[in-house]
Parts: sequence; C-alpha cells; structure tokens
Amino acid sequence: LAKTTQPISMDSYEGQEVNITCSHNNIATNDYITWYQQFPSQGPRFIIQGYKTKVTNEVASLFIPADRKSSTLSLPRVSLSDTAVYYCLVVLNTGFQKLVFGTGTRLLVSP
Amino acid sequence: EAQVTQNPRYLITVTGKKLTVTCSQNMNHEYMSWYRQDPGLGLRQIYYSMNVEVTDKGDVPEGYKVSRKEKRNFPLILESPSPNQTSLYFCASSPGTRPDEQYFGPGTRLTVT
Repeated sequence: LAKTTQPISMDSYEGQEVNITCSHNNIATNDYITWYQQFPSQGPRFIIQGYKTKVTNEVASLFIPADRKSSTLSLPRVSLSDTAVYYCLVVLNTGFQKLVFGTGTRLLVSP
Repeated sequence: EAQVTQNPRYLITVTGKKLTVTCSQNMNHEYMSWYRQDPGLGLRQIYYSMNVEVTDKGDVPEGYKVSRKEKRNFPLILESPSPNQTSLYFCASSPGTRPDEQYFGPGTRLTVT
C-alpha cells in the first residue's frame, strides 16, 4: 500500500521559491497526486493535481519524475499569505478510489 | 456562492447520544466524502460516495454511518459516539465520481465527553 512522507516544516522568506517534496512509494501507473493547502480553522483547499512530468497552473507547479516515487510542489515567489500547511494526497486509482494523505508540511514565510 | 456547508460547526456531546452532522453542497457535484483530522494523524477518510445511493467505506469507518439519498446532501451519523471520536470533521465534494479537486467544508469540531 502506498505511503506518503513529507517534511514536517519548512521556512522561507517573501519572494523566494519554495519546493515541498512528497515521497510516495508503490504507486501504480494510474494513481495520481494532488496537493492541498490548509489555513488554521479552515478546510483544505485544492492547489494542483497530476500524474506525471510537470503540471502548472496560476498558483503552483507540480513536478513528478519518471519513476513517480516522489512529487514536488513548487510555489513561486511566496508571500506571507502562503504560510499554511501543505498536504500531498495520493489517489489510488483502483476501483475503490483509496486515498493516502501525507501528514503535512508546515510552511512559514517570513518578511 | 459555490460552497460546501456543514452544521453544526461546533458540538459538545456525551457518550452514547446519537448525533448527525449535516453536509450540503450547491455545486451539483457527484463525489462527496467525510474526513476526520487528528493531531499527528493528519486527514483520514471515513466514508465516501461516488454518486447518489452509492457509498463506500474509507480508512476509518467504524462507529460512523452515512447516507446519500440526494446529490447535494451527505450527512454523517454517529449512532453511539465515544470519546475517541472527538475530532475535527470535514466534508468535501468534487465534480466527477473521483476525488479530484475536492472542495472542503469549513469543518465541524466535535467533542465527546
């Protein structure tokens, strides 16, 4: 069964690029990776999703190498408002749609 | 406004007293799901529903029931709550029948004494 591992915390400064990596072993070809952001006292918010290579949207990029044993969420030029907890989620694309959440990475952005 | 709503937001109850947490979405989404979030354990899925009348167990279904009689509502029922069900609960929905791009509700903080 797939298991995800993320760093517990990261620190950054405003304007820097932040890369958060999630390790996920034993994921199958059709399993996909999703990232969420969570602020205190709120529900998680979807950031980005992908199967392989690179996906980019208006707020982030997701890099998934060919072996798919990890994925990296890249946040360009972070601001103070990006301080939050970031979760990776592997969706096991079997008939039962099982989910494997990471334990989250607490990102602190300082001025 | 497109949203997932949960009620109540906060609830303190006693062991054994049946309760229901409601969840409703106004986005015509097919997929709905319930999660609990606990310190050190992260988010864990309780139950999910791929569409109306179809539900299935997640990772931690024991002690919970759900029903999906209509597309917009997905209530979570605790028939006999116990203290180990004290947690922060989130309902979520997504457009298709898979948990893609889920929209989460604001959460319900439940305390069982």
